Amino acid sequence: DQQVKQNSPSLSVQEGRISILNCDYTNSMFDYFLWYKKYPAEGPTFLISISSIKDKNEDGRFTVFLNKSAKHLSLHIVPSQPGDSAVYFCAARDLNTGNQFYFGTGTSLTVIP
Amino acid sequence: NAGVMQNPRHLVRRRGQEARLRCSPMKGHSHVYWYRQLPEEGLKFMVYLQKENIIDESGMPKERFSAEFPKEGPSILRIQQVVRGDSAAYFCASSPQPSGIRYEQYFGPGTRLTVT
Repeated sequence: DQQVKQNSPSLSVQEGRISILNCDYTNSMFDYFLWYKKYPAEGPTFLISISSIKDKNEDGRFTVFLNKSAKHLSLHIVPSQPGDSAVYFCAARDLNTGNQFYFGTGTSLTVIP
Repeated sequence: NAGVMQNPRHLVRRRGQEARLRCSPMKGHSHVYWYRQLPEEGLKFMVYLQKENIIDESGMPKERFSAEFPKEGPSILRIQQVVRGDSAAYFCASSPQPSGIRYEQYFGPGTRLTVT
């Protein structure tokens, strides 16, 4: 049962434009959400997070938006750079368990120079 | 400050052999998490350990898989009598305390297990 879903396996964006990566979830007990970035042959690297009490968190070129009523999360990267090309995973933590993160299947972003 | 280290990076085993995957958390981190990533899938939680204790193993198969995090030394994920379906990337993550609002999990580079 996939509780965190990333329905777009891939996304291509021109350099300088905005990249929008989407994530949907089903568990209303998720209280903390994160985005990880992963390059081939490396482990995921933490990018940005947001608590369920907020609807937006910004860090430089990266902004995460949370729409709790729609159970939807998005990551905006602007402006996109070629070095942003990677696989992006969204993850969520269940308030009840607290120990494990549930990951989506990833979206492969390609930023075209 | 070295990051999370995993070894080996690549491991090939024949069906029926044992696989041992090692994870050294970041300095000062006493909480370790193991995840498995099957091809074309996201990371799936397997087990959460503190020093000498298994806290949550709800994601780990009941048979053939075991994990430990001894007082001294790395955390070990052991898979006995491997089968082809065990072929995957196994990632270890560590955190300084149970992951909360202020702390995320830091991941190692992973061990790619191939069962032939």
